[in-house]
Amino acid sequence: SAVISQKPSRDICQRGTSLTIQCQVDSQVTMMFWYRQQPGQSLTLIATANQGSEATYESGFVIDKFPISRPNLTFSTLTVSNMSPEDSSIYLCSVIAGGPETQYFGPGTRLLVL
Amino acid sequence: KQEVTQIPAALSVPEGENLVLNCSFTDSAIYNLQWFRQDPGKGLTSLLLIQSSQREQTSGRLNASLDKSSGRSTLYIAASQPGDSATYLCAVNGGSSNTGKLIFGQGTTLQVKP
Repeated sequence: SAVISQKPSRDICQRGTSLTIQCQVDSQVTMMFWYRQQPGQSLTLIATANQGSEATYESGFVIDKFPISRPNLTFSTLTVSNMSPEDSSIYLCSVIAGGPETQYFGPGTRLLVL
Repeated sequence: KQEVTQIPAALSVPEGENLVLNCSFTDSAIYNLQWFRQDPGKGLTSLLLIQSSQREQTSGRLNASLDKSSGRSTLYIAASQPGDSATYLCAVNGGSSNTGKLIFGQGTTLQVKP
């Protein structure tokens, strides 16, 4: 299994500002992902965080809005840039770990943009 | 494009009942399927992972089945307890390898009344 922590757990931000979310895993993992859960919605994949190279973004998400870093196999950051109220969501870090390749999720970062 | 649907959207049962949550997906070419639990204000907890070659998985009072050909999975909860109250999410991992790109259903919100 994998234990994932995220910082901050929640934040309230003003529009136009940026917030960087940190994800720390208790073991080295090859695959790390960032998901978004908008209010009342299910989860949507933002991007795959690749160690040592640029992240791979899903349709509808761009690097300028959601820059991602992955400096090593246990840590990643997601920045939400130039925020608007529409960015108010829960942002979750996820990894694949373990023998059966189970996907694990962090506790999430609850973001409210005013 | 893979789509995942969960029925019902909400369910309320008295304690002790056995219940079934349903998940359907449109593309049978999946790598695996995972059931998660999400408590209010919390992240996701992995419950069961079924590989595409498997028919079912069991963990305690939970049993998940997979019928790839019909595009369906069920989560069976035996002898439900108030602590089972949560939102249950079904997620499909498509393709021929574990990409980590999960497609989620909208979830079933379960309330178990004492």
